[in-house]
Amino acid sequence: DAGVIQSPRHEVTEMGQEVTLRCKPISGHDYLFWYRQTMMRGLELLIYFNNNVPIDDSGMPEDRFSAKMPNASFSTLKIQPSEPRDSAVYFCASSSSAGSRVTNSNQPQHFGDGTRLSIL
Amino acid sequence: QKEVEQDPGPLSVPEGAIVSLNCTYSNSAFQYFMWYRQYSRKGPELLMYTYSSGNKEDGRFTAQVDKSSKYISLFIRDSQPSDSATYLCAMSPYSSASKIIFGSGTRLSIRP
Repeated sequence: DAGVIQSPRHEVTEMGQEVTLRCKPISGHDYLFWYRQTMMRGLELLIYFNNNVPIDDSGMPEDRFSAKMPNASFSTLKIQPSEPRDSAVYFCASSSSAGSRVTNSNQPQHFGDGTRLSIL
Repeated sequence: QKEVEQDPGPLSVPEGAIVSLNCTYSNSAFQYFMWYRQYSRKGPELLMYTYSSGNKEDGRFTAQVDKSSKYISLFIRDSQPSDSATYLCAMSPYSSASKIIFGSGTRLSIRP
């Protein structure tokens, strides 16, 4: 099982540039999540999709951030224009709701290894 | 006030000690409670899962949920240097698959 695949692993770019982060979820998973992790704020949910449809984007910091999921096997998180305060580790995670009709069923989120983003 | 509060540590204990990690929460609708472990430069991975109240044991790890006090705990017995990581509590009112709220994480170091 390949797991959640994120690219690139590291990104260093100058302020004002467009940044695109990519994620390939685990095959068959119907939920996809984008998180941001910093020392100050911990792990924050930015947006999540169910069956490729955005369900909750209340965590997206501002209009500079956008996310898309054009199909079940690919998602992007874009920052345009980027700012130094966007520097963080960005994680993608996926999960499956299969079996969720059983109230107490365990369906964990599986995380990628993250993209470490530095905006200079 | 955050929905989920977790002491960030760092916490340093000698090998073999019993470790206690804790979180408090404010949303009484939470029913699904999880502990994720995160090693340096890796994504979090699910360690323990509990639905509603009670205890759950898995090897050296025990998770406890006290909904009346809105308090959850993770105990690690016979701690090993390989347990050194950041531990994040997480919880959800809906399911473990959908939107979950994470604590800020406690950084744990086990000294050989």
